[in-house]
Amino acid sequence: ILNVEQSPQSLHVQEGDSTNFTCSFPSSNFYALHWYRWETAKSPEALFVMTLNGDEKKKGRISATLNTKEGYSYLYIKGSQPEDSATYLCGNYGGSQGNLIFGKGTKLSVKP
Amino acid sequence: GAGVSQSPSNKVTEKGKDVELRCDPISGHTALYWYRQSLGQGLEFLIYFQGNSAPDKSGLPSDRFSAERTGGSVSTLTIQRTQQEDSAVYLCASSLQGAPNYGYTFGSGTRLTVV
Repeated sequence: ILNVEQSPQSLHVQEGDSTNFTCSFPSSNFYALHWYRWETAKSPEALFVMTLNGDEKKKGRISATLNTKEGYSYLYIKGSQPEDSATYLCGNYGGSQGNLIFGKGTKLSVKP
Repeated sequence: GAGVSQSPSNKVTEKGKDVELRCDPISGHTALYWYRQSLGQGLEFLIYFQGNSAPDKSGLPSDRFSAERTGGSVSTLTIQRTQQEDSAVYLCASSLQGAPNYGYTFGSGTRLTVV
């Protein structure tokens, strides 16, 4: 994998459902993997910064895991709420670049 | 400042005109990044600054784009002779040290429309 890829592109769930989505990234020269939440008409907001293989991070109902050897990270949302509706971006900080390279995001819509 | 400030929030310009977008990062953040999101696309990296230096300008789409940062603070992104394909949301972010384990703080963006 040369670029950062996120799947699915969009997701529609009912309030109370749990959901998860995937970020795939190049596993070579790994430094860090970031997750951001981007709500409509707002700025992207940092959720997690993950640096170690096997990292698990949690913030309320949202958690993330990291596998640097195989190059993927999962974001989980437990008991989705309408306010979780947003685009979730992951960014890879790898190789010699000094900046994050982002995936296209997963757009989550939670229906009440 | 308390957050990353971008101005203007919206800009409509005629094709061929020059535009200047401004970013005021969080005080003390040494790293500053410019990205853009065109309709239906992901966040595209443009350029980043460590202090006043831009180590990597390879993300700038063409030579009509330039950026500078002065005093390790405010940055301006200039687009000369704007084209319709330049229409996008331009986002600026800053980071405490530019190291991989520091998260970005984004501004609210400048929506540029070239007509």
